[in-house]
Amino acid sequence: GAVVSQHPSRVICKSGTSVKIECRSLDFQATTMFWYRQFPKQSLMLMATSNEGSKATYEQGVEKDKFLINHASLTLSTLTVTSAHPEDSSFYICSAVHRVRRETQYFGPGTRLLVL
Amino acid sequence: GNSVTQMEGPVTLSEEAFLTINCTYTATGYPSLFWYVQYPGEGLQLLLKATKADDKGSNKGFEATYRKETTSFHLEKGSVQVSDSAVYFCALEGGGDKIIFGKGTRLHILP
Repeated sequence: GAVVSQHPSRVICKSGTSVKIECRSLDFQATTMFWYRQFPKQSLMLMATSNEGSKATYEQGVEKDKFLINHASLTLSTLTVTSAHPEDSSFYICSAVHRVRRETQYFGPGTRLLVL
Repeated sequence: GNSVTQMEGPVTLSEEAFLTINCTYTATGYPSLFWYVQYPGEGLQLLLKATKADDKGSNKGFEATYRKETTSFHLEKGSVQVSDSAVYFCALEGGGDKIIFGKGTRLHILP
């Protein structure tokens, strides 16, 4: 149990286009989801906290107009990278906090984005 | 602010060797501490955790003890297996369910 999926797992796009990444909790409800970004050989950097039914909270230095987050239901959060540029190429990982078992975060497998 | 520092990898060991991956932290108060593992092609999984000083977290033969006096949470295993090859992340709870991660340590176990 407690599986989190991400789609797509890998995406290549042209500079200037927008890319949407989905994060789903498959067998549990998650009131809170987190979006992370991971550069090669670097730690996971928290980008934003996504709460169902409310606006996302962004970490300092993360552009909210660049990285649009929508948490439309208790099982789905989406991250849209708008007008992507090569510097946005990275590994994006989401996690979900179980609505009941709040002490544990469950992580998705990640989405690798390459912007040409 | 809160931060986590862990030893850089990759770490390469032979099967059945003893493993230590060092982790130290900087934090206000006494946050919960975690070790996460990421197997190839999979998402991060919680390996073990400790919520207060002197607590020992353990799972799958791995152990880590919350040391307040040295602000450390070193990961150890007495006899590693090839299947332990993965990336290991030390982390702490940063408040509001947020988790702050170290950079990760890649572990290679040779048969």
